[in-house]
Amino acid sequence: DAKTTQPNSMESNEEEPVHLPCNHSTISGTDYIHWYRQLPSQGPEYVIHGLTSNVNNRMASLAIAEDRKSSTLILHRATLRDAAVYYCILESSGDKLTFGTGTRLAVRP
Amino acid sequence: DAGITQSPRHKVTETGTPVTLRCHQTENHRYMYWYRQDPGHGLRLIHYSYGVKDTDKGEVSDGYSVSRSKTEDFLLTLESATSSQTSVYFCATLGASGSGGEQYFGPGTRLTVT
Repeated sequence: DAKTTQPNSMESNEEEPVHLPCNHSTISGTDYIHWYRQLPSQGPEYVIHGLTSNVNNRMASLAIAEDRKSSTLILHRATLRDAAVYYCILESSGDKLTFGTGTRLAVRP
Repeated sequence: DAGITQSPRHKVTETGTPVTLRCHQTENHRYMYWYRQDPGHGLRLIHYSYGVKDTDKGEVSDGYSVSRSKTEDFLLTLESATSSQTSVYFCATLGASGSGGEQYFGPGTRLTVT
């Protein structure tokens, strides 16, 4: 499966935008880009996914580079409840996800 | 919330004993998954199921077996628990078939093997 690379940790101030980067230089043409997050002591939860075009939903936006070798998850206004581990995942083998170690986001009040 | 429950939520067991973890869903989702999560690792797939009596191995399946006799239940069995199987176990479901679907995760089961 294609791999992703994310920073181990990031910090943000409350109510400011957060841009979480993900590199996936070996992505294939049919791989979906998924983002999940895991709050402390909880199971992961879906955030957003996309294939080629940028995507927006109520939680976040996903910006996908034109060559698809990188993507950025954008939280428009970080809150304390957004403190979590964020996983960027490539779905390359039909219905199965391969998690990496993700980015731990800390939000400062 | 996809109505996924896991039982038990916490369990302590001794090395060599069999252990069964249960995942129950109320959404009639076809696909179900078992993952484990250990410090320093993301979630790793143990086994998955594409439907009743249709299961397959994930990347860390050794020492585990699964069964799915009903759509709503997916059981994970540790045939003879070892200390290396101390972990947090998560169940997940996928409603839509094909790529790009959203997986829903349960709250997890913390298993300690002494």
